[in-house]
Amino acid sequence: QKEVEQDPGPLSVPEGAIVSLNCTYSNSAFQYFMWYRQYSRKGPELLMYTYSSGNKEDGRFTAQVDKSSKYISLFIRDSQPSDSATYLCAMSEGGAQKLVFGQGTRLTINP
Amino acid sequence: AAGVIQSPRHLIKEKRETATLKCYPIPRHDTVYWYQQGPGQDPQFLISFYEKMQSDKGSIPDRFSAQQFSDYHSELNMSSLELGDSALYFCASSSTSGRTNTGELFFGEGSRLTVL
Repeated sequence: QKEVEQDPGPLSVPEGAIVSLNCTYSNSAFQYFMWYRQYSRKGPELLMYTYSSGNKEDGRFTAQVDKSSKYISLFIRDSQPSDSATYLCAMSEGGAQKLVFGQGTRLTINP
Repeated sequence: AAGVIQSPRHLIKEKRETATLKCYPIPRHDTVYWYQQGPGQDPQFLISFYEKMQSDKGSIPDRFSAQQFSDYHSELNMSSLELGDSALYFCASSSTSGRTNTGELFFGEGSRLTVL
């Protein structure tokens, strides 16, 4: 079993819909939680960064971390076709520690 | 804003040859990480450096080595290349403020290695 589990999808939704992406993990030592967006053949782009539990909002994006359930989520409001990409969750035990990635969810927003 | 710079962007090598990838971190970032991403796979951690010293090691083959130089750029050297080494190789960097690393990793665009 992988340390971080993420449904690979693919996930296809109409433009304007609210998208919910999530990951579960098994390592209770994880403290830093990130969401990356990756377009085809490009590097992962950091979208959201959260330390420990709680919510964080940035524009149309909201990240939630529930350490008690070992569950993290990313919500995208008013989804746009330009949001079509692979979304990777990632987490680490400490500030300079390596990131462990989920498998990535391929998302398509249909106009 | 300056980002992580990787070179070359594309590289084609034959089996058993050697390849070197370079990474220039974001200015004032002191920690560099190397990841390997196979087709349809999530990035796998290879190795990291903090202040020119190896800080962590992941699933890096013995045929690979890396180092970080005094200007904080890093190089990943891969020898005796195998077909299975064909992948995207990403470099990422992060910064330490005081004694605490922010934990935010910023990735470069990657170097695509093809081994024939």
